[in-house]
Amino acid sequence: KQEVTQIPAALSVPEGENLVLNCSFTDSAIYNLQWFRQDPGKGLTSLLLIQSSQREQTSGRLNASLDKSSGRSTLYIAASQPGDSATYLCAVPYSSASKIIFGSGTRLSIRP
Amino acid sequence: NAGVMQNPRHLVRRRGQEARLRCSPMKGHSHVYWYRQLPEEGLKFMVYLQKENIIDESGMPKERFSAEFPKEGPSILRIQQVVRGDSAAYFCASSPTPRGDELFFGSGTQLSVL
Repeated sequence: KQEVTQIPAALSVPEGENLVLNCSFTDSAIYNLQWFRQDPGKGLTSLLLIQSSQREQTSGRLNASLDKSSGRSTLYIAASQPGDSATYLCAVPYSSASKIIFGSGTRLSIRP
Repeated sequence: NAGVMQNPRHLVRRRGQEARLRCSPMKGHSHVYWYRQLPEEGLKFMVYLQKENIIDESGMPKERFSAEFPKEGPSILRIQQVVRGDSAAYFCASSPTPRGDELFFGSGTQLSVL
């Protein structure tokens, strides 16, 4: 059974800091891993998709890494801004089942 | 190319009524996923459908809940005889491939049961 865990559950940092969000999964037989952002009362916006054959993906100030063997992914946010405040979720589909499992998210607050 | 469309955005029902939530996937996407999100909680998988087929409904409650994705028209999540515990945000996502490469979400339907 695949389980996805995100640590920390909440994080508050001052504007301008670089930060790392963590995602771990128990079954390494994954096809890909996706990071999402969710603003309060809104749906999810896809940030980065890492295929199982890749080690990392970058988009602007965001960089996501994937280490399948250790069951971990990190989302690195550089030079954080108040607009980055949101909940960040990672999601994993895996080969033994057709469902896509989400972590419970990290609620990020960037203080001006 | 419109994104994933969900309607209604907000739905209020009294206990015992039926709720029907609709999801139109992105054009060209034949894979649809439904998720439920309770306040301050993560997304819980409910069901995965392809056109005219339910592939995985392991996250659906055994009673009162059903889902379909007909050949024509939107995917429907149906909740019969709603109870207060059904109050939640229901999200639909679509994908062009069976493994969610990649997932696109609708804005969700907020169901409130009075």
